[in-house]
Amino acid sequence: DVKVTQSSRYLVKRTGEKVFLECVQDMDHENMFWYRQDPGLGLRLIYFSYDVKMKEKGDIPEGYSVSREKKERFSLILESASTNQTSMYLCASSQKPGLGYGFGSGTRLTVV
Amino acid sequence: GQQVMQIPQYQHVQEGEDFTTYCNSSTTLSNIQWYKQRPGGHPVFLIQLVKSGEVKKQKRLTFQFGEAKKNSSLHITATQTTDVGTYFCAGPYENSGGSNYKLTFGKGTLLTVNP
Repeated sequence: DVKVTQSSRYLVKRTGEKVFLECVQDMDHENMFWYRQDPGLGLRLIYFSYDVKMKEKGDIPEGYSVSREKKERFSLILESASTNQTSMYLCASSQKPGLGYGFGSGTRLTVV
Repeated sequence: GQQVMQIPQYQHVQEGEDFTTYCNSSTTLSNIQWYKQRPGGHPVFLIQLVKSGEVKKQKRLTFQFGEAKKNSSLHITATQTTDVGTYFCAGPYENSGGSNYKLTFGKGTLLTVNP
């Protein structure tokens, strides 16, 4: 089974801080994804990466950036955290973009 | 843009009753996937359907892909309390501005089961 590990389960950050969310997968998958999940809005794609150093914007990239320096690691960066970025953040990986995803346990970020 | 509509949003059943959730896409899909998310957990991949009219079963769960490959359903027979959670369908769509595909999720159906 795919193991996707997110570095933090819970985070509390202050408005304006730069926030790093880390994700590591152990299946040598080329494709990695960052979603946020909010009540009533479901899962929304922020960014994804289909290869090292490659990235592509998802549906809601504003206020976020990503980094993929190594195949197994995909980082989500909140350049200047705002309260509307309080959410559950889920990382996922897959062998190919259209195939089944393995998700991490999620990071619940609260921005105060 | 691409949309995956899922109904109902909520469903409460008595243990032993059946449950069905429906998924509709605005465009034809190459495949459709189903995920389950337990309360407090993360989505877990259940199954992928690829062929038109395909039907797959996993114990009490039956998954169906429509003939036009634009709709799908998940049916649970004789629900149990362990079935509680949110069930999502998802389909791959070509990402705007790129040639890569992204998985777009429906908003899910939250199933609660009264023991």
